[in-house]
Amino acid sequence: DSGVTQTPKHLITATGQRVTLRCSPRSGDLSVYWYQQSLDQGLQFLIQYYNGEERAKGNILERFSAQQFPDLHSELNLSSLELGDSALYFCASSEGQGVGETQYFGPGTRLLVL
Amino acid sequence: EDKVVQSPLSLVVHEGDTVTLNCSYEVTNFRSLLWYKQEKKAPTFLFMLTSSGIEKKSGRLSSILDKKELFSILNITATQTGDSAIYLCAVEPETHNTNAGKSTFGDGTTLTVKP
Repeated sequence: DSGVTQTPKHLITATGQRVTLRCSPRSGDLSVYWYQQSLDQGLQFLIQYYNGEERAKGNILERFSAQQFPDLHSELNLSSLELGDSALYFCASSEGQGVGETQYFGPGTRLLVL
Repeated sequence: EDKVVQSPLSLVVHEGDTVTLNCSYEVTNFRSLLWYKQEKKAPTFLFMLTSSGIEKKSGRLSSILDKKELFSILNITATQTGDSAIYLCAVEPETHNTNAGKSTFGDGTTLTVKP
């Protein structure tokens, strides 16, 4: 158990819909990262937040957005969903700003878009 | 664009065999390389390597980095069925204000250890 929690575990929805994935970092960790893992793309870094502020941005679509709240939990919003958005979405956290730090991963949320 | 290539893509061995997994990278301003093990759930951290030639070891697993040739290897000796997993390699760049934490992952090596 990494100490990072993600909800929900599984999510099935239809194309065009919007979903919100939630992540609670390990106690004391200030950075939260979101990753997408799909069969054809492998693991892709999406975005990092540090202490409420966006810190780094990776391959995140404009239809996706995220935020980190004052209590440090984070939400990833996926809108206008397409079939290709079906994937495993991981959240990770680290203690500081991230470079070279150990990232602790949550169990992931499996999204299926029908 | 940063790039991480892992080989082989998949590997099937028998218990007791030794395996070597490879990770080569092309990254601007390299900072560190990390190895993860992913089973059915989330990836778990194995090693972080920043310096060339210094082996990191944990039980039957060891890893080393060559910053001149831009690759790393992960060795697993006396493999067990519990080692079956996807092994992921990731590299992180040096800190820039807009680039902290932006790691690039390889596609992974799937290891299957048969009894």
